[in-house]
Amino acid sequence: GAVVSQHPSWVICKSGTSVKIECRSLDFQATTMFWYRQFPKQSLMLMATSNEGSKATYEQGVEKDKFLINHASLTLSTLTVTSAHPEDSSFYICSAGGGLAGTDTQYFGPGTRLTVL
Amino acid sequence: RKEVEQDPGPFNVPEGATVAFNCTYSNSASQSFFWYRQDCRKEPKLLMSVYSSGNEDGRFTAQLNRASQYISLLIRDSKLSDSATYLCVVRPTGGFKTIFGAGTRLFVKA
Repeated sequence: GAVVSQHPSWVICKSGTSVKIECRSLDFQATTMFWYRQFPKQSLMLMATSNEGSKATYEQGVEKDKFLINHASLTLSTLTVTSAHPEDSSFYICSAGGGLAGTDTQYFGPGTRLTVL
Repeated sequence: RKEVEQDPGPFNVPEGATVAFNCTYSNSASQSFFWYRQDCRKEPKLLMSVYSSGNEDGRFTAQLNRASQYISLLIRDSKLSDSATYLCVVRPTGGFKTIFGAGTRLFVKA
């Protein structure tokens, strides 16, 4: 099946710094990518929908200026957590779908575990 | 009310048992339904799609009742390796936006 990668797989940073997470579709073109956040023992919460070549659509309660999303190509979307704080520590997962991946298939990346000290 | 609600867990069952998970969704216009499996500290992985006619994949059977807005997953002959969190997933409209349930944890014990 299609493969989605994320980088880095884990990151530890100091409070106040910005962290960039990359999501790549390795063998297909993804017109749409999604960013989720998952806190311990909770389900995935959709943060935003990233569309290639246009602005991301954020879910209610997600700060656009804090979670910057860029989807510059059909194979790459980035999520930047700006001025990270300890409460941003979470498991961030991207998924990709559409394009040559097929019309009903969504593939998940392995996730990035962010710890903000 | 949450868009997707699942049975509270955890479910603790012995090997070989049959276990059923239920899920309800609030948006009657929802189009696609799935069950995902998530292992600890890993990404979710698609277990199976759910169709109105019901579908079966080996020991797993999924059912959809659109009238009641209800989805179920039945696991027969549970294996130790079935221990995971099972996520009910709904795609409300056309496209890929996906809503996850909170998940139900399953522990299968020897």
